[in-house]
Amino acid sequence: QVQLVQSGAEVKKPGSSVKVSCKASGGTFSSYAISWVRQAPGQGLEWMGGIIPIFGTANYAQKFQGRVTITADESTSTAYMELSSLRSEDTAVYYCARTLGYCSSTSCPNNWFDPWGQGTLVTVSS
Amino acid sequence: EIVLTQSPATLSLSPGERATLSCRASQSVSSYLAWYQQKPGQAPRLLIYDASNRATGIPARFSGSGSGTDFTLTISSLEPEDFAVYYCQQRSNWPPRVTFGPGTKVDIK
Repeated sequence: QVQLVQSGAEVKKPGSSVKVSCKASGGTFSSYAISWVRQAPGQGLEWMGGIIPIFGTANYAQKFQGRVTITADESTSTAYMELSSLRSEDTAVYYCARTLGYCSSTSCPNNWFDPWGQGTLVTVSS
Repeated sequence: EIVLTQSPATLSLSPGERATLSCRASQSVSSYLAWYQQKPGQAPRLLIYDASNRATGIPARFSGSGSGTDFTLTISSLEPEDFAVYYCQQRSNWPPRVTFGPGTKVDIK
């Protein structure tokens, strides 16, 4: 049973960047997609983007294009999400999640999220 | 971009009652819809995918239905642990983009 373990909480200054990691253990990593979803305090879920590690292809939500970079290291079964030009509105819990099933280079038919990481709180404050 | 709306925003019910949650898409998503449950301080948990398939380990009291633009999550008889926020999610096949609905909170009456 795969588990996703994320890095710890971060406090960042406005204008800086943050990089959050998500390490998979106990299951297959490369052929599934890993997505990043954030949740601001008291708010709903917001998909940021995802990556299929075996192909190295990342896709991003339009809102975050140019500000987020999602990468993966197959050798360590770890995905990363880096968000730049941080502002106070980026204060949120950031989750990684794996797709329910495999993705190919042109199809991700099981882009449902199970399991999820435990979440990483990123606080942006001067 | 496909927009999901959920209703009601809050549903106040008693244990043992039936809960019916709605999710509507701004355009057809076929059967590409999932439901998640989230409790305070926890990550979301997948309940239903492809509109009507229960995820592994999900009790039979949870069921999903619908296609196209209108979807329903039904909890046949609420257990104390079911009081939570429920989100719907749609996906596109390629590129693999995702949107979530704003959520429905099911609280104790």
